[in-house]
Amino acid sequence: DAGITQSPRHKVTETGTPVTLRCHQTENHRYMYWYRQDPGHGLRLIHYSYGVKDTDKGEVSDGYSVSRSKTEDFLLTLESATSSQTSVYFCAISEFGFEQYFGPGTRLTVT
Amino acid sequence: AQTVTQSQPEMSVQEAETVTLSCTYDTSENNYYLFWYKQPPSRQMILVIRQEAYKQQNATENRFSVNFQKAAKSFSLKISDSQLGDTAMYFCAFMKSGKGGSEKLVFGKGTKLTVNP
Repeated sequence: DAGITQSPRHKVTETGTPVTLRCHQTENHRYMYWYRQDPGHGLRLIHYSYGVKDTDKGEVSDGYSVSRSKTEDFLLTLESATSSQTSVYFCAISEFGFEQYFGPGTRLTVT
Repeated sequence: AQTVTQSQPEMSVQEAETVTLSCTYDTSENNYYLFWYKQPPSRQMILVIRQEAYKQQNATENRFSVNFQKAAKSFSLKISDSQLGDTAMYFCAFMKSGKGGSEKLVFGKGTKLTVNP
């Protein structure tokens, strides 16, 4: 299994508070991704990174920001959480940019 | 834009039997990758199998094999000798070839497979 961890695994937070999710990899893969999974929508890409300090938006990036200061860490921040951001968040990594391996997921509930 | 359709929301199969999950996709691209991911109740997304569009030979991984029909834009997954541990959601996914890492996976909505003892 690819060495990917996500923290926290579960979080409950209130509307309007900032939230940061962390993805950590031990594979030294260049590419990292954040997805959200919602019933009826499958997985959708939020942001991705193709190197340290190199990031770009996915299809559902509004309300999210990311940072990657080290190869192994990719942070997803919700600046002001809303109930529509209640979801399961997955991090994924890829060595060459096509075959992706996923972390265990973080269940976020915004009340 | 690419779309992926899984027309079977739920399926069931008896242990040791064979089951086929359907997936169709829509694209104007000629070079792309197709994947099947498995998501068991643990929620972990697990890559099952990968197919490159330029390859005519169908991919196989142990009990898992695909039937890739490029002209028909069809990519079905066959699970042989089904086991209880195969019970999971299965997602078909598409990615076009391009700048490495900048192409996103497009997922279908999934098929829930239950293997009955």
